[in-house]
Amino acid sequence: GAGVSQSPSNKVTEKGKDVELRCDPISGHTALYWYRQRLGQGLEFLIYFQGNSAPDKSGLPSDRFSAERTGESVSTLTIQRTQQEDSAVYLCASSTGQPGVEKLFFGSGTQLSVL
Amino acid sequence: DQQVKQNSPSLSVQEGRISILNCDYTNSMFDYFLWYKKYPAEGPTFLISISSIKDKNEDGRFTVFLNKSAKHLSLHIVPSQPGDSAVYFCAASDSNYQLIWGAGTKLIIKP
Repeated sequence: GAGVSQSPSNKVTEKGKDVELRCDPISGHTALYWYRQRLGQGLEFLIYFQGNSAPDKSGLPSDRFSAERTGESVSTLTIQRTQQEDSAVYLCASSTGQPGVEKLFFGSGTQLSVL
Repeated sequence: DQQVKQNSPSLSVQEGRISILNCDYTNSMFDYFLWYKKYPAEGPTFLISISSIKDKNEDGRFTVFLNKSAKHLSLHIVPSQPGDSAVYFCAASDSNYQLIWGAGTKLIIKP
């Protein structure tokens, strides 16, 4: 497929467990974002990757959150010791150039439920 | 504090009429604004954008108006169609790579 792919689409986990979310961006897109959307709220920036530059991690809410990206391809977002407040839709987006002005292409998201 | 606000959580419009979605912002450094549309269980998709050097941008049935003095933008959809029922997000950028998003407005088009 030509779009941004995220897996799993749904994840139910127990409080205290670790989860790993995956994002496959559109081929050739150098910029990759992770966002979180809580119910009834807007998109909350988590982390940004641009090419081989150091990622901007300023949006990560705590040190339980981390993300990696291999070159300009797959990215994984890891949440350790999950808490109930981590329940949300986690969205990945990619872009070709300067994301402030270039449109983002989003995946369908991972719905995370922490019980 | 919310830098981008969409004060109407939902809006219901008759099919064929005009839909007007509003967005207010507080940061005068924002110079680019975008609207995204989101269907349930899907990611947002880009709809239309406007640079701060303009006050209007039109694309088919969609027009975005920007009032910089009022720090306000609006999205007009005319005529509204059933397929326009979705959540609409306003987002703003200061030419950095970060977009600041509103909470969204759920648009319901009634047949």
